[in-house]
Amino acid sequence: KNQVEQSPQSLIILEGKNCTLQCNYTVSPFSNLRWYKQDTGRGPVSLTIMTFSENTKSNGRYTATLDADTKQSSLHITASQLSDSASYICVVSDESGNQFYFGTGTSLTVIP
Amino acid sequence: SQTIHQWPATLVQPVGSPLSLECTVEGTSNPNLYWYRQAAGRGLQLLFYSIGIGQISSEVPQNLSASRPQDRQFILSSKKLLLSDSGFYLCAWSVLYVETQYFGPGTRLLVL
Repeated sequence: KNQVEQSPQSLIILEGKNCTLQCNYTVSPFSNLRWYKQDTGRGPVSLTIMTFSENTKSNGRYTATLDADTKQSSLHITASQLSDSASYICVVSDESGNQFYFGTGTSLTVIP
Repeated sequence: SQTIHQWPATLVQPVGSPLSLECTVEGTSNPNLYWYRQAAGRGLQLLFYSIGIGQISSEVPQNLSASRPQDRQFILSSKKLLLSDSGFYLCAWSVLYVETQYFGPGTRLLVL
């Protein structure tokens, strides 16, 4: 069964600190993995996308890693800001191009 | 550039009333279109997707239906709303074999 699991479910960190969010998946055959940021009451916005051959992808203070062998990905946020408070969703798609498997997200709260 | 619109932004409806949510995409042709529902504190659940006009695939059996009367228009409907239909409804588009999904701003539906 194709599944995407994220951890932790929620996280609270101090402003300026770093944090890492985890995503494990069982989707096969794998096509790509994306991380989205969803502010409360808004639609998700894409942060990074990685294919099978990519190990790392950065977008400003966001760095995503992918280990296709262990089927794990992480999203590292550097020097967190209050505006980073949001839900971060991991999405994996298979080779059909039409099937997207969503994790339930990690809720991040950055406090001053 | 491509944009995606959803309306209304917020909707409060009584149980048993009909529903019509609309989504339109601008700046692209023949997109894949998707309807998702996000219940409070839950992950995104794919409801319907469409790869072309009149082509609708349903992922979850329920009292909702979707239609695609035009290439860039996707409508989510119900004849009789249930309390359990409350949630945040998101429309998204993607290009076949290109990986990123782009989400609309969402419609928050409250069924009383």
